[in-house]
Amino acid sequence: DIVLTQSPVTLSVSPGERATLSCRASQSISTTLAWYLQKPGQAPRLLIYAASTRAIGIPARFSGSGSGTEFTLTISSLQSEDFAVYYCQQYNNRSTFGQGTKVEIK
Amino acid sequence: EVQLVESGGDLVQPGRSLRLSCAASGFTFDDYAMHWVRQAPGKGLEWVSGISWNSGRIAYADSVKGRFTISRDNAKNSLYLQMNSLRPEDTALYHCGKGPGITFIDYWGQGTLVTVSS
Repeated sequence: DIVLTQSPVTLSVSPGERATLSCRASQSISTTLAWYLQKPGQAPRLLIYAASTRAIGIPARFSGSGSGTEFTLTISSLQSEDFAVYYCQQYNNRSTFGQGTKVEIK
Repeated sequence: EVQLVESGGDLVQPGRSLRLSCAASGFTFDDYAMHWVRQAPGKGLEWVSGISWNSGRIAYADSVKGRFTISRDNAKNSLYLQMNSLRPEDTALYHCGKGPGITFIDYWGQGTLVTVSS
């Protein structure tokens, strides 16, 4: 199975600041990577697919980049509603999720 | 409005079976692949299984292969997960989701809770 490792585990950021989240794959997955946001008690929500394509209705402050084994999700200016847990998912070979990065208020 | 509503979760003893259902509405069901993803209490997401629009392609995580069976009934707009030989480590909230192929998941249901305990 392809293993996804997310870093950091927890990211403390002030509102309005930039946040950069990483996801590393154990082998090359081209751009078959998605990012999700999950708030407590809610289902996950799709943010990005194909490594860099924003899903419908997702604000432009969310951007994804990368290919192969290294991927990044950037939130340009954190809003209050962005504090949550973020997961990456690969769908190159079946599917697996990373362990998550919690973005908390500094 | 897209809706995915899971049901069938329960408290069951180890070794027993359970069948989960997911009722879909608000979109053309047989245009989409469907997935099951689970989340143990306080833990992260684990992809369980996916099925293509016509059931022609099915995939499972190694942790459930041989014990769980995914299926769908396009006439009933429904997705199923038959879970046999349940283990305590299968305890989780089980979400169904839809997506364009067995790829990413563009909409998720709220989940149904499965607890495996004696």
